Amino acid sequence: KAGVTQTPRYLIKTRGQQVTLSCSPISGHRSVSWYQQTPGQGLQFLFEYFSETQRNKGNFPGRFSGRQFSNSRSEMNVSTLELGDSALYLCASSFGGLSGNTIYFGEGSWLTVV
Amino acid sequence: AQSVTQLDSQVPVFEEAPVELRCNYSSSVSVYLFWYVQYPNQGLQLLLKYLSGSTLVESINGFEAEFNKSQTSFHLRKPSVHISDTAEYFCAVGTGNQFYFGTGTSLTVIP
Repeated sequence: KAGVTQTPRYLIKTRGQQVTLSCSPISGHRSVSWYQQTPGQGLQFLFEYFSETQRNKGNFPGRFSGRQFSNSRSEMNVSTLELGDSALYLCASSFGGLSGNTIYFGEGSWLTVV
Repeated sequence: AQSVTQLDSQVPVFEEAPVELRCNYSSSVSVYLFWYVQYPNQGLQLLLKYLSGSTLVESINGFEAEFNKSQTSFHLRKPSVHISDTAEYFCAVGTGNQFYFGTGTSLTVIP
C-alpha cells in the first residue's frame, strides 16, 4: 500500500509569490490534514479536510488555504509569501477523523522563501 | 484546548543505556495518544499508539509507553538504546477531532 505522497519535496519561492503544495493520501483514507513545522514553533496544525469539506482549522492567517478533491487528494495554497512561511509542510491522512484514528504522514514539502 | 508538554527538549544518552522521554497532556477526557519519530529530513513515522485497552503499548523496535490517566502522562521508554534511535520524538494527542503535538524531544545516542 503506497504511503502519503507529497509534491514537490523542495521548492524556493520569493516573498510575495504564492505556492501550491499537493498531497495524495493513502488509498481509502478520507481525512487529510496539514501541518507546518518550524524550528521555533514546532508542529502546528493548519487544517483538516474530510470528504472535500474543511472540518477543522488551526490558528493561521487567511493566506493559508486548502482544498480536497473527490479522490481525497488535497492541495494547500499559501498566498503572498512571507519569509516566516519558510518551513516543512507535512500532510497526513487517516481513514476517519483526527480523534481515535492513526494519522500517517508524508515526507513533507520543504518551502524556502527568499 | 488540549496542550501537550514534552519537558525535555534534548536527551543525550549512551548507547545501551535506558531512556525515558516524558510527555504530559492537559486533559484526560477521551484522548488518544501517540508517539511519532522523525529522522533527519524525513516526515513523521508512527512509533506506537494508545487508543484503548491495555495501558502499556509496545513498538516493534523495543520502545514502550504507558498511559497513566491519573497523571495524564504517556512517557516513552526503552531499556537499551541503539545508535539508530537518534532522532526527534513527538508526543501527540488526538481529541475532539483535533490533533495536538508536543514540541519534540531530540534523542541523541552517544557511542
